[in-house]
Amino acid sequence: AQKITQTQPGMFVQEKEAVTLDCTYDTSDPSYGLFWYKQPSSGEMIFLIYQGSYDQQNATEGRYSLNFQKARKSANLVISASQLGDSAMYFCAMREVLYSSASKIIFGSGTRLSIRP
Amino acid sequence: KAGVTQTPRYLIKTRGQQVTLSCSPISGHRSVSWYQQTPGQGLQFLFEYFSETQRNKGNFPGRFSGRQFSNSRSEMNVSTLELGDSALYLCASSVTLPESETGELFFGEGSRLTVL
Repeated sequence: AQKITQTQPGMFVQEKEAVTLDCTYDTSDPSYGLFWYKQPSSGEMIFLIYQGSYDQQNATEGRYSLNFQKARKSANLVISASQLGDSAMYFCAMREVLYSSASKIIFGSGTRLSIRP
Repeated sequence: KAGVTQTPRYLIKTRGQQVTLSCSPISGHRSVSWYQQTPGQGLQFLFEYFSETQRNKGNFPGRFSGRQFSNSRSEMNVSTLELGDSALYLCASSVTLPESETGELFFGEGSRLTVL
């Protein structure tokens, strides 16, 4: 079965420092997608970044980048120059391809990131 | 474009009652997924609907059910509520593959259910 593992329940980082949130996954499907979502205390899930399994380059979106190491099955999120507003829960997720047009997205357990001023 | 709208945002029920939660997806999105989020279990997939048909179902008891209407709006129902059903219920809509390159989920703010 496909699985997402986030081993860091919580992290504290000084403002303006870079931070890496770890994510490993397990799948036997050659075609999959990896996502990172942010969940502030308000509860809404915010999509941050996406990496397809066949993408040759690491995805980047502003201060977010995804360090994709396919052979190691890892998809770590890197946030550069952290800000106080980055304090939130972060979830790594993977799309399971069930059949040609149907898939579901499963989530890891999350990492709570706290930014210190 | 309006986002995903979930109602009600908060509700309190007692054991044995039943509850219905509503979700209006982003216009043009035909897929609606439901997740249960609890501190202990994290985000657990409940089910996904597409064009009024349930395509996928998570590992939840039959007390959890859902449906989707022709306008893509979705409802989920939990019958015979238990204390453990207290959770944040998140609805998400998406443009499915292959129409979307990524198929990412767009989430609503959730319905927080407390069962007493």
